[in-house]
Amino acid sequence: SYELTQPPSVSVSPGQTARITCSGDALAKQYAYWYQQKPGQAPLLVIYKDSERPSGIPERFSGSSSGTTVTLTISGVQAEDEADYYCQSADSSGTYGGVVFGGGTKLTVL
Amino acid sequence: EVQLLESGGGLVQPGGSLRLSCAASEFTFGYYAMSWVRQAPGKGLEWVSAISNSGSSTYYADSVKGRFTISRDNSKNTLYLQMNSLRAEDTAVYYCAKVNDFWSGYPYMDVWGKGTTVTVSS
Repeated sequence: SYELTQPPSVSVSPGQTARITCSGDALAKQYAYWYQQKPGQAPLLVIYKDSERPSGIPERFSGSSSGTTVTLTISGVQAEDEADYYCQSADSSGTYGGVVFGGGTKLTVL
Repeated sequence: EVQLLESGGGLVQPGGSLRLSCAASEFTFGYYAMSWVRQAPGKGLEWVSAISNSGSSTYYADSVKGRFTISRDNSKNTLYLQMNSLRAEDTAVYYCAKVNDFWSGYPYMDVWGKGTTVTVSS
């Protein structure tokens, strides 16, 4: 199996830019996906295929990739963005072997 | 609106069994692979199992292999998870999720249910 590593926490003030990283060897060959989870709620997909944004997700959410690290960027952070964020990728072998989630990053809006 | 609604959670003793269901609506259920993902109290997300759109292929995390069985009934738009030999460490909220791009090699979950809680305790 493989692992995805995220920082446990990130803190920013309202209006600033938050960057959450996710690292793992599989990311060199696989896309990354990002989910937002607020307390007591189900996860919500906010970025797919490294940098694509689903309909309904605000433009302040963006994603990027470089080698074995992907980054979720939230520009102009708002209080409502305070949540846990999880990256996800898949087995890089080419056959379905399940998916793996990062440990999650708690975003605190100061 | 695309919806997934889980049911069947509850309190069960160690070694017991439980069957979870997930009712899907407002999308062509039989076109998509489906997955179960769980979250233990205060912990992160853990992928549990997945099933192809036809049901012919199933996949499991090592932590549940041999104990859990995923299945689906496309005529009823319903996904199932049969959980046997339950352990305390299986205590979690269980989410069902619609899987996109399953056969492309780049699978991800684009719709999630609200979850159902499973507690394994004596």
